[in-house]
Amino acid sequence: AQSVSQHNHHVILSEAASLELGCNYSYGGTVNLFWYVQYPGQHLQLLLKYFSGDPLVKGIKGFEAEFIKSKFSFNLRKPSVQWSDTAEYFCAVNAGYGGSQGNLIFGKGTKLSVKP
Amino acid sequence: NAGVTQTPKFRVLKTGQSMTLLCAQDMNHEYMYWYRQDPGMGLRLIHYSVGEGTTAKGEVPDGYNVSRLKKQNFLLGLESAAPSQTSVYFCASSSSGFGTDTQYFGPGTRLTVL
Repeated sequence: AQSVSQHNHHVILSEAASLELGCNYSYGGTVNLFWYVQYPGQHLQLLLKYFSGDPLVKGIKGFEAEFIKSKFSFNLRKPSVQWSDTAEYFCAVNAGYGGSQGNLIFGKGTKLSVKP
Repeated sequence: NAGVTQTPKFRVLKTGQSMTLLCAQDMNHEYMYWYRQDPGMGLRLIHYSVGEGTTAKGEVPDGYNVSRLKKQNFLLGLESAAPSQTSVYFCASSSSGFGTDTQYFGPGTRLTVL
């Protein structure tokens, strides 16, 4: 079965520090990869996604992610975090099984706390 | 354009009670989903629908039923609530089932079962 691993459960950074959140998936076929963010008290919203082309994907609010096929990884990065980036971040991979290719498999999430 | 809305926002049930969560979307999306979110577990798919009148099981369907009588609505039912169903429930929708499609999420329903 497909799975998604997010290695960091809780990351604490100071403002202006650089961020990298790890995400690895297990699926041998074509993948579509997503990063979602959940700000405190809010619903999930899409940060960025990758399905083909340039493996370096840019998203909203200065986030980017790099797809490395050989490592089955899709790490999220931001050069300089802000207090407003405090949130929980979820990596997800499209399951691609059965009759629907719209089912997402989510990682367990990484909580990011940014100290002002 | 409200996107995906969910009612109610909060609910407290006693063990054995029943309830229905309503999800509505105004984006004319074909696919709709119900997830539950538990601390340290991420989101897990309960049921989904690929179009009006259809439903299918996801990863954790036991104890839940769903119906999609209208394209814009997706209902999640708990017939006999259990404490293990205490969770935050999110509804989502997408325009198609293609793997590249973005899922749009509702604000969630926080359910506590005593």
